[in-house]
Amino acid sequence: EVQLVESGGGLVQPGGSLRLSCAASGLSVSSNYMSWVRQAPGKGLEWVSVIYSGGTTYYADSVRGRFTISRDSSKNTVYLRMNSLRGEDTAVYFCANINISWNTFDYWGRGTLVTVSS
Amino acid sequence: QSALTQPASVSGSPGQSITISCTATSSDVVNYNLVSWYQQHPGKAPRLMIYEGTKRPSGVSNRFSVSKSGNTASLTISGLQAEDEADYFCCSYEAGSTFVWVFGGGTKLTVL
Repeated sequence: EVQLVESGGGLVQPGGSLRLSCAASGLSVSSNYMSWVRQAPGKGLEWVSVIYSGGTTYYADSVRGRFTISRDSSKNTVYLRMNSLRGEDTAVYFCANINISWNTFDYWGRGTLVTVSS
Repeated sequence: QSALTQPASVSGSPGQSITISCTATSSDVVNYNLVSWYQQHPGKAPRLMIYEGTKRPSGVSNRFSVSKSGNTASLTISGLQAEDEADYFCCSYEAGSTFVWVFGGGTKLTVL
């Protein structure tokens, strides 16, 4: 059974930094495409970033240059380093596996809440 | 990069059928073989309901189906049940100079 468990969310001041973690079981983060998707309170879903099995990374325009996705194969964990945080980054951040054949998100974690506020 | 437009809300009574549209707003036609649909109950993670335009993952009821017309994909839920009340999002994968996933704004389904 695939499980994705996010952690690391919390309250941070504007301009601050935070690192989210996504611990995976039932799949290998280094063999799969792993992604972060966020959802602002009461809003829709927004794709944030992806790391491919080969290590290539992509970002949404709204976070490029501020966020960095990475992984640790030994811990089977994916990370999202978030710098220069803004109020509009406030959201629940979901970790999701991308089905390589379907190019869509087939497994999701429960999410971790990030609140950017002074 | 296309944007996807969905109605904010739809409603229906138990046993009825409802349709949720997802329309690409750019002049480029979305590749609907790369459109997926998600169901999300309050406070829960999204659940994949449809992939590659019309296909259902294992465990998803055949009450969920998708049709396409022009620049619009439509999710139909037949035989509405109380448990279908949720938010529904369409999503398009676009591979070009970069690879991105674009979500529609979401539709709140109310079962009356």
